[in-house]
Amino acid sequence: NAGVTQTPKFRVLKTGQSMTLLCAQDMNHEYMYWYRQDPGMGLRLIHYSVGEGTTAKGEVPDGYNVSRLKKQNFLLGLESAAPSQTSVYFCASSYGRGRTGNEQFFGPGTRLTVL
Amino acid sequence: KQEVTQIPAALSVPEGENLVLNCSFTDSAIYNLQWFRQDPGKGLTSLLLIQSSQREQTSGRLNASLDKSSGRSTLYIAASQPGDSATYLCAAARPAGNKLTFGGGTRVLVKP
Repeated sequence: NAGVTQTPKFRVLKTGQSMTLLCAQDMNHEYMYWYRQDPGMGLRLIHYSVGEGTTAKGEVPDGYNVSRLKKQNFLLGLESAAPSQTSVYFCASSYGRGRTGNEQFFGPGTRLTVL
Repeated sequence: KQEVTQIPAALSVPEGENLVLNCSFTDSAIYNLQWFRQDPGKGLTSLLLIQSSQREQTSGRLNASLDKSSGRSTLYIAASQPGDSATYLCAAARPAGNKLTFGGGTRVLVKP
């Protein structure tokens, strides 16, 4: 099993450009998450999904959109990138409620720089 | 709003010494608490998860305790090794959506 994978690993954008980050998991998890990690701010939740076709806002959702068309995939979109979105982005997944554990498993991260 | 704090931010110990890492949280209505390890430039590796109904969890040299009434969790690493050098993060999960609130982490250096 590959676990949680993220594409791409690195990306440099210019201000105003758009891009989509892809997260895939092969553990049949119901829940998926997008976090960003910034120096001095720690890890913060951007958006999450509790099942296929559902999405919800996290702590810092502005400037991002997400989609969960398939259970195994969770996409994070930046419509018009800004320098403040320079960060390391992590995807995670877990089982839903009613299952023991609910441990979140993280992908390797995407390092994004917006110039 | 849940707030998670880890003190100290950095810790240096000689090899062989036991490590004690602290995590405190403000809202005791947690679903579970998870400890992670992060190496520089890498992702997060899950170490231990403690359900809200549990008091502790063990895996090898690692032992984590949970006291919801005082809002504290402690990660113990026995007989530290240089390979234990990393940043350790704790995160408290909210019941709805299993969403994690992270602490700022403790950066650990184990000197040979």
